[in-house]
Amino acid sequence: DAKTTQPPSMDCAEGRAANLPCNHSTISGNEYVYWYRQIHSQGPQYIIHGLKNNETNEMASLIITEDRKSSTLILPHATLRDTAVYYCIVRVPFQGAQKLVFGQGTRLTINP
Amino acid sequence: DSGVTQTPKHLITATGQRVTLRCSPRSGDLSVYWYQQSLDQGLQFLIQYYNGEERAKGNILERFSAQQFPDLHSELNLSSLELGDSALYFCASSVGGAMSTDTQYFGPGTRLTVL
Repeated sequence: DAKTTQPPSMDCAEGRAANLPCNHSTISGNEYVYWYRQIHSQGPQYIIHGLKNNETNEMASLIITEDRKSSTLILPHATLRDTAVYYCIVRVPFQGAQKLVFGQGTRLTINP
Repeated sequence: DSGVTQTPKHLITATGQRVTLRCSPRSGDLSVYWYQQSLDQGLQFLIQYYNGEERAKGNILERFSAQQFPDLHSELNLSSLELGDSALYFCASSVGGAMSTDTQYFGPGTRLTVL
């Protein structure tokens, strides 16, 4: 029951910006978009999240469209260590709390 | 390093056995979440505890149970193990329980192999 759609795989050259798209056309007004990544079989690593405004931190930038139906994660200067599966997640209300519903993600490969 | 610790890293056991996975949340975090990641199912939410109380229950089998102790560490108990229970089990923690901006930070996981 993932609420997001991502391309299964992408390639990017080292040193270039990696732009990972995500569609979340059924997102509700108060639901946040979260991005995590998973390198090999390590625990998912939090990257960034946002509601409606663009966000930036030391890892990445998140651009959310005005209608909130899609977003793009930008890794400004990709390195080989950024090779991972990237998950775009919309937090959904669940039993009075929130839960993360992981889809299949995008397998990003950074090429030298 | 997220600050969430999990033990053991690897666990190999036989069908029908029972195992316990342990998780220590980040300092100050009150919520603990358990997730299962198998090859065919992806990452699935199992259960959440907040300050010692069960908060939300996901796709957790009846053979599985969890608890959170007064020191806030959590244990996931898996019994009557089957081959299909082989998976990575991740624990995550967050400050609170229900706030929509409450970020979950994941531990390194426990790889369970049932033979």
